[in-house]
Amino acid sequence: EAQVTQNPRYLITVTGKKLTVTCSQNMNHEYMSWYRQDPGLGLRQIYYSMNVEVTDKGDVPEGYKVSRKEKRNFPLILESPSPNQTSLYFCASSLGTNPTGELFFGEGSRLTVL
Amino acid sequence: SQQGEEDPQALSIQEGENATMNCSYKTSINNLQWYRQNSGRGLVHLILIRSNEREKHSGRLRVTLDTSKKSSSLLITASRAADTASYFCATGPNTGNQFYFGTGTSLTVIP
Repeated sequence: EAQVTQNPRYLITVTGKKLTVTCSQNMNHEYMSWYRQDPGLGLRQIYYSMNVEVTDKGDVPEGYKVSRKEKRNFPLILESPSPNQTSLYFCASSLGTNPTGELFFGEGSRLTVL
Repeated sequence: SQQGEEDPQALSIQEGENATMNCSYKTSINNLQWYRQNSGRGLVHLILIRSNEREKHSGRLRVTLDTSKKSSSLLITASRAADTASYFCATGPNTGNQFYFGTGTSLTVIP
């Protein structure tokens, strides 16, 4: 089954404790991206990657890091989480290095930073 | 911000009625997409309309696009309780390969 898998789905952590949210897709997609969703703000893009070793900032990259060492994986790293990073996070992928088609989304990771 | 906006923010209708939601965006586009999100779940792609298209149908969905007004509408006909969800429009990628999502319309279909 074609899917984007995120882990963990739910996480409560404390300020400053580094964490990684993993994202993996099995569709051989070149394009992968991370979004955060906050009430009233819709989805905002954090980082995206057009292919292995190619990443770029989205609209809200501050406080986040990403890496793309393999085509299927695109982890989101919070080096020192803060309460304003409490949010619902989504990973998505799409076919092509210059995608014009649909995005496939994971089920989301709800992060709470105390 | 290059985000779009959906209108209305919330919509409540009776089962069997039609639901219309609108999306406005700010920049020129290659295509516009509509997504559905059930509460707390991942977004699911519904339909894509290209910038040279004016109308597109898929089952009970009808999407229109007016590039001169930078707006799109999604019509769901003969709504069902299972259509209850949030609906988002998305544009992109433009420069920098970014996608931009609107703020969403929350649709409630009352059985």
